[in-house]
Amino acid sequence: AQTVTQSQPEMSVQEAETVTLSCTYDTSESNYYLFWYKQPPSRQMILVIRQEAYKQQNATENRFSVNFQKAAKSFSLKISDSQLGDTAMYFCAFMKPAYSGAGSYQLTFGKGTKLSVIP
Amino acid sequence: AAGVIQSPRHLIKEKRETATLKCYPIPRHDTVYWYQQGPGQDPQFLISFYEKMQSDKGSIPDRFSAQQFSDYHSELNMSSLELGDSALYFCASSLSEHEQYFGPGTRLTVT
Repeated sequence: AQTVTQSQPEMSVQEAETVTLSCTYDTSESNYYLFWYKQPPSRQMILVIRQEAYKQQNATENRFSVNFQKAAKSFSLKISDSQLGDTAMYFCAFMKPAYSGAGSYQLTFGKGTKLSVIP
Repeated sequence: AAGVIQSPRHLIKEKRETATLKCYPIPRHDTVYWYQQGPGQDPQFLISFYEKMQSDKGSIPDRFSAQQFSDYHSELNMSSLELGDSALYFCASSLSEHEQYFGPGTRLTVT
């Protein structure tokens, strides 16, 4: 079974600064998918960024980027130019590989990191 | 763009009652997932459907059942409700192994 660990229960950052959220995972698979989801106070789960394990290039989405270290099984999220709207719980998630079978793409989440952006 | 729709958004039930949660996936998505998120917890996978057939099962109690209908909407049926079933229930949909998009969730309170 896969496990996802987020070692920082809470973090804070000043507005306009940069912050990095850590995530490590454990799997015996060689191909899989990793995600970061954001859950603001509204409790909506919002996809932030996606990374395929077979891609060496780190994914980037505007102010959000990842540092994917496959050998170390590490998948950190960097938020640049932090904004007040970035205040949320951030979940790292692992998805089984496609060859697991159609429809078997359940997400395994970490416990989350609560990020507060301070004005 | 169309999103995942869940109804109702809030539901209050008493112990031992039954609840039915509905989910309408994004059009043309072939897979639907149900997750349960307890207070202060991460979402836990319950069950999934691929093309209207159950495809995977997680930590879903025997008191819960789910199905996906011909129009692709899905329902999660929960019987003999317990206080511990109080949680936020998410439905998500995806196109095969691509990213999952979550609905707004149904907040279930069992009293």
